[in-house]
Amino acid sequence: QSALTQPASVSGSPGQSITISCTGTTSDVGSYNFVSWYQQHPAKAPKVMIFEGSKRPSGVSNRFSGSKSGNTASLTISGLQAEDEADYYCCSYAGTNTWVFGGGTKLTVL
Amino acid sequence: QVQLVESGGGVVQPGRSLRLSCAASGFSFSRNAMHWARQAPGKGLEWVAVISNDGNNKNHADSVKGRFTISRDNSKNTLYVQMDSLRAEDTAVYFCARDYSGTFTLDDWGQGTLVTVSS
Repeated sequence: QSALTQPASVSGSPGQSITISCTGTTSDVGSYNFVSWYQQHPAKAPKVMIFEGSKRPSGVSNRFSGSKSGNTASLTISGLQAEDEADYYCCSYAGTNTWVFGGGTKLTVL
Repeated sequence: QVQLVESGGGVVQPGRSLRLSCAASGFSFSRNAMHWARQAPGKGLEWVAVISNDGNNKNHADSVKGRFTISRDNSKNTLYVQMDSLRAEDTAVYFCARDYSGTFTLDDWGQGTLVTVSS
């Protein structure tokens, strides 16, 4: 149950697009289409932004999109806004009733 | 709307036990699997445990296996985690989360309760 690998930080200017990667293995990301992405503002509960790799829950802006290639999932945020500044975590189902999170990525909007 | 409220956190000495609760409302609790996750101070999220909607199937992360036990009482709409043999590295905010059926997604989260393991 090793954590998925995410960059520690990314940054972008308002209006730009950024992508956060999430690298796992053939035991988790590579084997299942069950990657979810969570946004967490300081001292707040996580909020799901993407589930099943690319689906957006009701109410989540279409500026958020997800994809996967092999063992790596990605979250793209387009048209960056100040309120997007937060920590982002990926999570994958890893089989036999286990889940694994990524280490988290701090997004800074310059 | 979905509401999940954790309670039971506090300061506990190493080796001692603590039980956390998560009161659920706003949805049919008995229809959803439930999770516990945690976040050490200044660190990332870590998945801790899952229990099926009927309580018959459960699993725990290797880091807590044999020490933590997840359970639920559907008559009380409440999720629990019994934490025994606590260690300093168990210090974290503990969140309960609802499983979005069929999607393997933790779709609604509580605000968390802080557990501090210290002598």
